[in-house]
Amino acid sequence: SAVISQKPSRDICQRGTSLTIQCQVDSQVTMMFWYRQQPGQSLTLIATANQGSEATYESGFVIDKFPISRPNLTFSTLTVSNMSPEDSSIYLCSVAIGSDTQYFGPGTRLTVL
Amino acid sequence: GENVEQHPSTLSVQEGDSAVIKCTYSDSASNYFPWYKQELGKRPQLIIDIRSNVGEKKDQRIAVTLNKTAKHFSLHITETQPEDSAVYFCAASDGAGGTSYGKLTFGQGTILTVHP
Repeated sequence: SAVISQKPSRDICQRGTSLTIQCQVDSQVTMMFWYRQQPGQSLTLIATANQGSEATYESGFVIDKFPISRPNLTFSTLTVSNMSPEDSSIYLCSVAIGSDTQYFGPGTRLTVL
Repeated sequence: GENVEQHPSTLSVQEGDSAVIKCTYSDSASNYFPWYKQELGKRPQLIIDIRSNVGEKKDQRIAVTLNKTAKHFSLHITETQPEDSAVYFCAASDGAGGTSYGKLTFGQGTILTVHP
C-alpha cells in the first residue's frame, strides 16, 4: 500500500469562505478519488480526479462547488467553495494503485460555522 | 448506477461469538467487493476484498462470501474480540477497467459492538 497524507487534518471555517484540501501520495498511483463522509454516515464519492484533465463528478456534485486539481500522479487538491454549515463533513481522498484496491487518506474534518 | 444495501445497521455480540454482516448490490456488472473497517476518528481501512471469480475468501478470523446470482455478499468474523468493535462498510465496483473506472459505491455501514 501507499503512504497517503492530507492537509489540513481539520479546520473550522466561516460560511461563505473556501478551503482547499491537499492529498499527497508517496508513489505514483493510477486513480485518485475524493469522498465525503457526513457525520455518522457512509462514504459518498464526490469525484474522480483525473491526471491532466477535468475531474469526473458524481451526481449531485458540481465543479463550481468542488473544484479539483490533479497536476501529477501523486498529488490532488479538492476545494470546498462558498461553504455553508451543510458542508461540515470529513473529506477523504483515496488512491488505487494499478488495481481496484483503494486506500484512504486520514481525512480532513471540516466544520463550517 | 450501483446501489448497495447493508444490514444490519447495528450489531451487538459477546466476545467469542461470530458476527455476520450482509450486503446486496444492484449492478450485475460489479465484480469487486471490498470491506472496510473504520474505528472512531480514523480512516476506513481495507480488511478483506473479493472478486467475482471467487466465491469465498478467508483471512484468519474474517471471511467474505459472494453469491453473484443473488447479488449479495457477506462478511463473517469469528471469535470476535473487543478490538473488532468499529463501523464496517461494504462496497461494490465494476473495477478499474469498467465503465465506472473503479469508483466504489458504499453500503450504509454497520456499527459492531463486541462486549467483553
